[in-house]
Amino acid sequence: DADVTQTPRNRITKTGKRIMLECSQTKGHDRMYWYRQDPGLGLQLIYYSFDVKDINKGEISDGYSVSRQAQAKFSLSLESAIPNQTALYFCATSDFGQGGTDTQYFGPGTRLTVL
Amino acid sequence: RKEVEQDPGPFNVPEGATVAFNCTYSNSASQSFFWYRQDCRKEPKLLMSVYSSGNEDGRFTAQLNRASQYISLLIRDSKLSDSATYLCVVNERTGGFKTIFGAGTRLFVKA
Repeated sequence: DADVTQTPRNRITKTGKRIMLECSQTKGHDRMYWYRQDPGLGLQLIYYSFDVKDINKGEISDGYSVSRQAQAKFSLSLESAIPNQTALYFCATSDFGQGGTDTQYFGPGTRLTVL
Repeated sequence: RKEVEQDPGPFNVPEGATVAFNCTYSNSASQSFFWYRQDCRKEPKLLMSVYSSGNEDGRFTAQLNRASQYISLLIRDSKLSDSATYLCVVNERTGGFKTIFGAGTRLFVKA
């Protein structure tokens, strides 16, 4: 079984709808992240969490919110979806390692289309 | 200037070729460095970490030059299965956490 899972894998929705993307991990990592990826662009960080009580905005948090329900679960919500939020969304986890390294492991992604 | 910049690509090479990717980073306080591989419409996967002394994993060699602030990835004897996008990743630890992904360099290996 995959260590990092995302649901749904694909979603088509309409402008103005509320959408929740869910992420679960079995790696036992404290840190979790949400990214979006647009064609031809790098990954952009939306939100991240270093433990259950810690939530931090990334570089493109406007229009998004998150909830860290447990160490293993981190969900991303689009309160009122708009077409420019059409993208591939990735969840990732990491466990801060020796020497200050922070290797991230990604889920399979959710392809979201907002019409 | 982008925080992490990669060769724009794409790179089109025949099987068996040697190909090199370069990546530069702007923050001299960056601490750790990685190469990830991403297949089309799939998640990025860690290819290798990059150490100051350089490191090798089979046909892949990664180098770090802190003085010039660049990282390289060399792929020898390219295989068709090496076709993918290669992402340069940098961790920064100044004033808080930051992991920055480059936009990626696309590699096509042809028969």
